[in-house]
Formats: sequence, structure tokens, C-alpha cells
Amino acid sequence: AQSVTQPDIHITVSEGASLELRCNYSYGATPYLFWYVQSPGQGLQLLLKYFSGDTLVQGIKGFEAEFKRSQSSFNLRKPSVHWSDAAEYFCAASGTYKYIFGTGTRLKVLA
Amino acid sequence: DVKVTQSSRYLVKRTGEKVFLECVQDMDHENMFWYRQDPGLGLRLIYFSYDVKMKEKGDIPEGYSVSREKKERFSLILESASTNQTSMYLCASSFGTAGGEAFFGQGTRLTVV
Repeated sequence: AQSVTQPDIHITVSEGASLELRCNYSYGATPYLFWYVQSPGQGLQLLLKYFSGDTLVQGIKGFEAEFKRSQSSFNLRKPSVHWSDAAEYFCAASGTYKYIFGTGTRLKVLA
Repeated sequence: DVKVTQSSRYLVKRTGEKVFLECVQDMDHENMFWYRQDPGLGLRLIYFSYDVKMKEKGDIPEGYSVSREKKERFSLILESASTNQTSMYLCASSFGTAGGEAFFGQGTRLTVV
């Protein structure tokens, strides 16, 4: 069955520290992969997406993600976290019309 | 900018009421989706539509129906609201058949009392 797994429910980092959020997928073929961010009470905003080509993808707000086919992973990274990055992050995969979302990782940033 | 607009940010309804959640997108997207978001469960697909008057069940369609009479509008209907339908509802739209970016509305937080 197709699935997206985000193993970390909560992550806490200090402001200025680096960040890595994990995402693993299970799919018949390499899907399209996305990272979304959701601020409290808001909808989801796209951070970045991977379709093909370069496995290191740059997104908005200083985020990047690396696709690793051998590990079926698409981890999100940021070198230096800002307090405004506190939010919930969702990894998603899509092959056709539909999107499969992970359960999300809630990021807390300590001042 | 693509805009997906949900008619209400917050709704409080009584058990047994018929509830309509409306969603409008302004980018001529073929695909529209309704998701339900609950803590620890992520986003679960209720219904989606890939064309006017076309609809397909998602993972949790029980207790819900949808309507898409015009391309830009996708309505979610709770035929008889129950307390276990208290949740955040997110509408999204996308273009094409091959996994283009999904654009989301702000969400409707529905409370059924």
C-alpha cells in the first residue's frame, strides 16, 4: 500500500540550530514529493517539491530537501532555524490525482 | 496567486443538522479535494473531483457527500452532522493529472455539539 511516514511527531530545536525533518515513502514507482508547512489555524503552504532531476531541491524560506531513492526518503533541512519556523510540517507524495500525506511533524523553536 | 477560498473559518452546528462547506478556486483547476485533519492522523482524503460533476470517494467518505456543479466550486455536505465529525476541514485544488502542486484553502474548523 502507498504510504508516507513521518517518524517524528514533535521536534524541538533552539533558534539558530540546524533542522532535519524525516520523511519516508512507500510507493510503486518514484512519486512526486512535496513538503508543506502549516502555521496554527491556517491552510497548508508549499515549501518545495521534487519531480525529477537534481535530488537536492531548494524551497522557500531557506528550506531544502534531499531525495534519496535508495532509502525512499525525502528529508527536509534548514541550516539555521528562526522562531517563525515553528509550525507543523507535512510530507506528501503523489502519483496521479491524489496526494498521500504523512501525519505531520510539529516543530517547536526555543528562543 | 492561486486562491482557494473556504466560505467559513469557524462553524458550530448541532447534531443532526445538514451542513454545507463551500470551497471556491480561481485558477481553473480541474482537480479539487476535501480533506479532514485531526491531530496525530494528518490529512485524510474525504472526496475528490477531477472534473465538473465527477467525484470519487477518498479514504473516509462515510457520512459525507460532495457536489461539483461548476468547475470553480466544490461543496462538502454533512448529511446529518455528528459529534465525531468535529474537525478541521481543508479544501485543495490542483491542475492536471500528474501530481502538480496542491493549493489549499485556510480551513474550516467545524464543531458539532
